[in-house]
Amino acid sequence: SFELTQPPSVSVSPGQTASITCSGDKMGDEYASWYQQKPGQSPVLVIYQDSKRPSGIPERFSGSNSGNTATLTISGTQAMDEADYFCQAWDSSTVVFGGGTKLTVL
Amino acid sequence: QVQLQESGPGLVKPSETLSLTCTVSGGSISSYYWSWIRQPPGKGLEWIGYIYYSGSTNYNPSLKSRVTISVDTSKNQFSLKLSSVTAADTAVYYCARQRLRFLESAYYYYMDVWGKGTTVTVSS
Repeated sequence: SFELTQPPSVSVSPGQTASITCSGDKMGDEYASWYQQKPGQSPVLVIYQDSKRPSGIPERFSGSNSGNTATLTISGTQAMDEADYFCQAWDSSTVVFGGGTKLTVL
Repeated sequence: QVQLQESGPGLVKPSETLSLTCTVSGGSISSYYWSWIRQPPGKGLEWIGYIYYSGSTNYNPSLKSRVTISVDTSKNQFSLKLSSVTAADTAVYYCARQRLRFLESAYYYYMDVWGKGTTVTVSS
């Protein structure tokens, strides 16, 4: 079965760039979506189709996908971006989520 | 804008059937796919399955034998039934709108609207 692997945690200083990776076999052949989840809240879509932002999502959120890795990039990271981030893809008629990455802004 | 609200018992006994309903407001349930996702305490997201407004379904193979998702377009609701539950089914259950996109020869899904989630505990 298709599996997506994310680093458990990523740390970044305020104002710097955070990169969160999502690895899977031939991930670049799939379309990646990313969700942000803050404590006690439901997930929010921040990126779909590898790099598209839904309305209302700040421009500092961007995405890319190539080879075996999709990447979520947050430029000029703010304290409010501290959250769990999950990648997601569609493969073999199944929605697959990565295990999630806790982004700490310190 | 479209809003989703999960409802159902917060406590279910082992071996019984978990039943939840998602009510869609601010828009029609028609012409879209609708899904259930769950999140065990302190863990990641697990997709359970989806239903199209017409009634066609697709389930996570790991849960397929125990899952039934149904839709009631007259009430703008869709529902989840998960049978023979155990403690491992304890989780926050979310309903979500699942969008389908076609690109050239490929297609994919993503979830663009989520409910607030409801906690279900399996315990005697």
